[in-house]
Amino acid sequence: GEDVEQSLFLSVREGDSSVINCTYTDSSSTYLYWYKQEPGAGLQLLTYIFSNMDMKQDQRLTVLLNKKDKHLSLRIADTQTGDSAIYFCAEKGNNRLAFGKGNQVVVIP
Amino acid sequence: DGGITQSPKYLFRKEGQNVTLSCEQNLNHDAMYWYRQDPGQGLRLIYYSQIVNDFQKGDIAEGYSVSREKKESFPLTVTSAQKNPTAFYLCASHLQGAGNTIYFGEGSWLTVV
Repeated sequence: GEDVEQSLFLSVREGDSSVINCTYTDSSSTYLYWYKQEPGAGLQLLTYIFSNMDMKQDQRLTVLLNKKDKHLSLRIADTQTGDSAIYFCAEKGNNRLAFGKGNQVVVIP
Repeated sequence: DGGITQSPKYLFRKEGQNVTLSCEQNLNHDAMYWYRQDPGQGLRLIYYSQIVNDFQKGDIAEGYSVSREKKESFPLTVTSAQKNPTAFYLCASHLQGAGNTIYFGEGSWLTVV
């Protein structure tokens, strides 16, 4: 079955880079996603990566995928106060999405 | 504008009552999902539906029921059998096929009083 693990909390200074990590268990996952959730709101898709890719860059966001270790990371360059949120990674396999518990990122001005 | 609409945003329920959360999408999406989110927890799948008139239980379906009579609508009923229903509920949808973006509604807060 699917199981996604994330660390819980990260604080980062404005302008620095932040890295959020995630591990997953379902090797048949075709797509892996990063979502952002601001307080009291739904989830906003940030980016996704297909399982046959190692890296994807999208403006300030860089996703790295290590399929061998089932490890996914999201790097946010030049972190801004608007990046303060909870970030969820998710894997999609068997038409179901499995989410990690989320990683709260707090950006310190 | 296209999107997913959840209502109500906030709902209070007395113990022993059933309540229904609405989820409507005008994106012509085939698949729809209901998730529950508790503080400090990730999203847990309650029910999902890949096609009209068909749905499957997720990981925590007990105490919940759904219907999918129309493609655009996937209401969730929280029954009195759900022992701890206070939570944030999220609806999501996407087109069938690998790689299609999954969209979320803005969520509904349910509180038992």
